[in-house]
Amino acid sequence: DAMVIQNPRYQVTQFGKPVTLSCSQTLNHNVMYWYQQKSSQAPKLLFHYYDKDFNNEADTPDNFQSRRPNTSFCFLDIRSPGLGDAAMYLCATSRVGGGNSPLHFGNGTRLTVT
Amino acid sequence: AQSVTQPDIHITVSEGASLELRCNYSYGATPYLFWYVQSPGQGLQLLLKYFSGDTLVQGIKGFEAEFKRSQSSFNLRKPSVHWSDAAEYFCAVGGGNTDKLIFGTGTRLQVFP
Repeated sequence: DAMVIQNPRYQVTQFGKPVTLSCSQTLNHNVMYWYQQKSSQAPKLLFHYYDKDFNNEADTPDNFQSRRPNTSFCFLDIRSPGLGDAAMYLCATSRVGGGNSPLHFGNGTRLTVT
Repeated sequence: AQSVTQPDIHITVSEGASLELRCNYSYGATPYLFWYVQSPGQGLQLLLKYFSGDTLVQGIKGFEAEFKRSQSSFNLRKPSVHWSDAAEYFCAVGGGNTDKLIFGTGTRLQVFP
């Protein structure tokens, strides 16, 4: 089945130690998104790629970066994780812009910062 | 400003009872509206969407939603709730030239036997 796969499901990192979360898709969708979701809150968009075009949200900290080496893969890099970055990180894709077509989500990576 | 409001943070219903989750939106252009469901520790799954046409849309798992432009609402309904429906439900709006969806803060549904 076509899907969005996030690895790992659970990630533990130390305060200040760089960490990379990965996302792959078999849907061949143009758009890939990274969301941060804290407990009992709505997903918060960090950034998204429309093909190779990177779009950063204005309030996304510089500590968060992303790479999309090809259509199928997208990575979230947290350069120096702080305790406040502990959250569920959700990757999503859409065929065209998410406002005009549904998002397909992965199961998320839960990040713990110790 | 574009926004989505889900007035109910937490709803509890008995299994077999009917359900309505409220969603109100503020959007400058013609809205595309979505309902997503999230089980604990999982990603979000699309329940249904409204783009145009019939204002009553059917989704998966027996859910439906009705778009009411005059009330800026897109409420989610289910005639008979099952215990497996316990989850977090998010309403979202998009459309126009944006790539982004705007999510509401979610409604947590508890189902008692």
